[in-house]
Amino acid sequence: GENVEQHPSTLSVQEGDSAVIKCTYSDSASNYFPWYKQELGKGPQLIIDIRSNVGEKKDQRIAVTLNKTAKHFSLHITETQPEDSAVYFCAASDDSGGGADGLTFGKGTHLIIQP
Amino acid sequence: KAGVTQTPRYLIKTRGQQVTLSCSPISGHRSVSWYQQTPGQGLQFLFEYFSETQRNKGNFPGRFSGRQFSNSRSEMNVSTLELGDSALYLCASSLDLNRVISEAFFGQGTRLTVV
Repeated sequence: GENVEQHPSTLSVQEGDSAVIKCTYSDSASNYFPWYKQELGKGPQLIIDIRSNVGEKKDQRIAVTLNKTAKHFSLHITETQPEDSAVYFCAASDDSGGGADGLTFGKGTHLIIQP
Repeated sequence: KAGVTQTPRYLIKTRGQQVTLSCSPISGHRSVSWYQQTPGQGLQFLFEYFSETQRNKGNFPGRFSGRQFSNSRSEMNVSTLELGDSALYLCASSLDLNRVISEAFFGQGTRLTVV
């Protein structure tokens, strides 16, 4: 089955700086890669996703890049703000069989924005 | 529109008992997935339902089961509870048109504590 590795487990950056979180996956059949943000006491919230036919996607201060050959994808947050502090999860899934196999999540990155 | 609603939010049960958790998906969403979140194992896929049928299943014992009703609402059941079942149980719904994976939106979860 799919295995997703996520690094780093904790990331502390100064407010206004950029943050980068990296993930690798093992199953070359995976074709959907979402990123979730989870705040304390809440469920994960989808912030951006990318499919295997695209190499990069951007939404305001957030961008995701995908390298299918190397089987890794990254989340980039620019001009970080205090409200970006949260736990971020990457995930991978394969729907080529007709129906989602379920998302396989990384272990999460605790992002701390220092004022 | 209303998000994914999970009830109850908190639950305390004794070892050996059984428990039923409920999930109401976003209106129009036909796919409902369940995940278990623990500090040690992270987010793990339990199962996914689509049109009242279990379409995918993760690696959990048979004590974990679920069902989906004709209105897409879903329930999951855990029988013979063990201490290790203490976790945050998350439900996610997605539109899933044409059996292509689409964005999954999570509820706030049910925090289950087994004593």
